[in-house]
Amino acid sequence: GAGVSQSPRYKVAKRGQDVALRCDPISGHVSLFWYQQALGQGPEFLTYFQNEAQLDKSGLPSDRFFAERPEGSVSTLKIQRTQQEDSAVYLCASSLSRPWREVTDTQYFGPGTRLTVL
Amino acid sequence: SQQGEEDPQALSIQEGENATMNCSYKTSINNLQWYRQNSGRGLVHLILIRSNEREKHSGRLRVTLDTSKKSSSLLITASRAADTASYFCATDFRVAGANSKLTFGKGITLSVRP
Repeated sequence: GAGVSQSPRYKVAKRGQDVALRCDPISGHVSLFWYQQALGQGPEFLTYFQNEAQLDKSGLPSDRFFAERPEGSVSTLKIQRTQQEDSAVYLCASSLSRPWREVTDTQYFGPGTRLTVL
Repeated sequence: SQQGEEDPQALSIQEGENATMNCSYKTSINNLQWYRQNSGRGLVHLILIRSNEREKHSGRLRVTLDTSKKSSSLLITASRAADTASYFCATDFRVAGANSKLTFGKGITLSVRP
């Protein structure tokens, strides 16, 4: 079956531009996560959705970062007024996670969007 | 900030040899997972070990967990050139009803020479 897909795969933006990154999770997956991966580093958590509700946005680096998942499926991560330090790979992951379960479901990652801010 | 610390940072071995990678973490966890990332591709889940487990096997992978030392190891036996990738450990601490975001280490670069 189809995995998590992300678009675009590569994005080059001039400093100050706004960008929008899209994530299509696996169908039926309740949880959706965004991570940021800087060059040579491991991914770092940005934000989490359970269906359409954004339950945790503690990892968003600034108020220039905004994420939404209006219908509980596709999600968009928007970065306003991009800065060079925003250059990174943005990874989306989804999992079946059901909130009443006390166990962790595997997170399935997309290929990522590599954002380069010039 | 990242919780996991992998060791070594880079490892180069000959095809057919075993590769051992270690991970240490700082806080209590519910489980620990290992992921692989090939150049230019997303993360692939390899194996998950729960905090009440000590050892787990999956194919050529063997993972151990020592919660008293807050450490884990991943062993890849009979390595292949296709195992060349970056490997990350990720910890998960989930409070009842809350989400289970992963905290990753910086990763280990494994090179398997043909």
